[in-house]
Amino acid sequence: AQSVSQHNHHVILSEAASLELGCNYSYGGTVNLFWYVQYPGQHLQLLLKYFSGDPLVKGIKGFEAEFIKSKFSFNLRKPSVQWSDTAEYFCAVNAAYQAGTALIFGKGTTLSVSS
Amino acid sequence: DTEVTQTPKHLVMGMTNKKSLKCEQHMGHRAMYWYKQKAKKPPELMFVYSYEKLSINESVPSRFSPECPNSSLLNLHLHALQPEDSALYLCASSLSGTGDEAFFGQGTRLTVV
Repeated sequence: AQSVSQHNHHVILSEAASLELGCNYSYGGTVNLFWYVQYPGQHLQLLLKYFSGDPLVKGIKGFEAEFIKSKFSFNLRKPSVQWSDTAEYFCAVNAAYQAGTALIFGKGTTLSVSS
Repeated sequence: DTEVTQTPKHLVMGMTNKKSLKCEQHMGHRAMYWYKQKAKKPPELMFVYSYEKLSINESVPSRFSPECPNSSLLNLHLHALQPEDSALYLCASSLSGTGDEAFFGQGTRLTVV
């Protein structure tokens, strides 16, 4: 079964620092990969997604991610974080079940940005 | 309209109560999902409905009973819950349920007393 793992549980950065959050997935075939963000008290929002094509994906709010098939990785990056980026970040893969598919999430990374 | 609307936002219920959580979307999506999220944890998949039929049940206890009355509505009926069932219950929808992105509601914060 497909799964994703996120290695950074809690990341603390100062404003303007660069960000990279790791995500590795387990499935060796075709995958759809996603990064979602959950701001305090708000619903999960899609930051970006990868289905196929250009492995460098740009998302909202200046985030980007790179799909590296040989490393089974889909790391999230942002050149310069802001205090408003403080949130929980989840990597997700679309897992196949016998009768359908659904998103399966990594354990999440808490990002704290200090001003 | 790109919203998934969940009601109520907060619910406190006793262990002998019966209550229902409701979810609605008007994006024409044909797949709808229930997830459970505990504090500081990722969402965990509970159920998936595809074209109004239950397609995935992740071994959820029978005290949780999903229902999909039509393509826009998803309910989760709750009965005889335990305090450990207290969590944020998230509803989501996606266009076809074949690998596309999911749109999430704000969730129902459930407390079982």
